[in-house]
Amino acid sequence: EDQVTQSPEALRLQEGESSSLNCSYTVSGLRGLFWYRQDPGKGPEFLFTLYSAGEEKEKERLKATLTKKESFLHITAPKPEDSATYLCAVQSGTYKYIFGTGTRLKVLA
Amino acid sequence: DTAVSQTPKYLVTQMGNDKSIKCEQNLGHDTMYWYKQDSKKFLKIMFSYNNKELIINETVPNRFSPKSPDKAHLNLHINSLELGDSAVYFCASSQSRIGQYFGPGTRLTVT
Repeated sequence: EDQVTQSPEALRLQEGESSSLNCSYTVSGLRGLFWYRQDPGKGPEFLFTLYSAGEEKEKERLKATLTKKESFLHITAPKPEDSATYLCAVQSGTYKYIFGTGTRLKVLA
Repeated sequence: DTAVSQTPKYLVTQMGNDKSIKCEQNLGHDTMYWYKQDSKKFLKIMFSYNNKELIINETVPNRFSPKSPDKAHLNLHINSLELGDSAVYFCASSQSRIGQYFGPGTRLTVT
C-alpha cells in the first residue's frame, strides 16, 4: 500500500538553527514528490516538486532533496516567519496524491 | 487575483441538513480535487475530476456528491450531514505533474 510518513511530528528551532524535515515514502511508481507549507487557517501552499532521485530544488532558506526512499526539506538559518506545518505528498497514479501527516515547525526569535 | 477560491469559508449546520460548497479556479488547470482535512490535520483525497469527468472516488459515502459543471468549477454537495463530517474541506487544482494549488478551505461544523 502506498504510504507517506513524515518526521518529526513537531520541531522547535531557535532562529538561525538549521535543521531538516524527513519524508519517507513507499509508492508503486513515483510520479512526483511534493512539498507544501500550510499556515493555520489556510490552504496548503505549493513549494517544490521533485521527480527523480538525486534531484534538488531551492527556494530562499528551503532546499528539498530526493532519494529513492525519502525526501528531506532542509531549512537553513530559519526565521520566525518560517513557522508553519510542512506537508509532503507523493503522486501515486495520474490523479491521486497521498499526503503525510506533516511536521509542525516553530521557529523562536 | 485569487487562483483557487471556495465558498463559504465557514459553514455551521445541524445534523441531517444538506449543504453545498463551491470551488472555482482561474488557473486553466484540467484537474480539480476535493480533500478532507481532519482535526489531526491529515489531508485525505476524496474526489478527482479531469476535464469535468470523475476520475477518483476514494470510498467516500454516497451522501457526498461532487459536480463539475465546467473545467473551472467543482462543487461538493453533502446530504444528511453527520457529526463525523465536521472537518475542513479543501478544493485544489493541478495541471499534469505539477503540484496542486489549494483553495483557502471551508470549515464545516455539524452540530
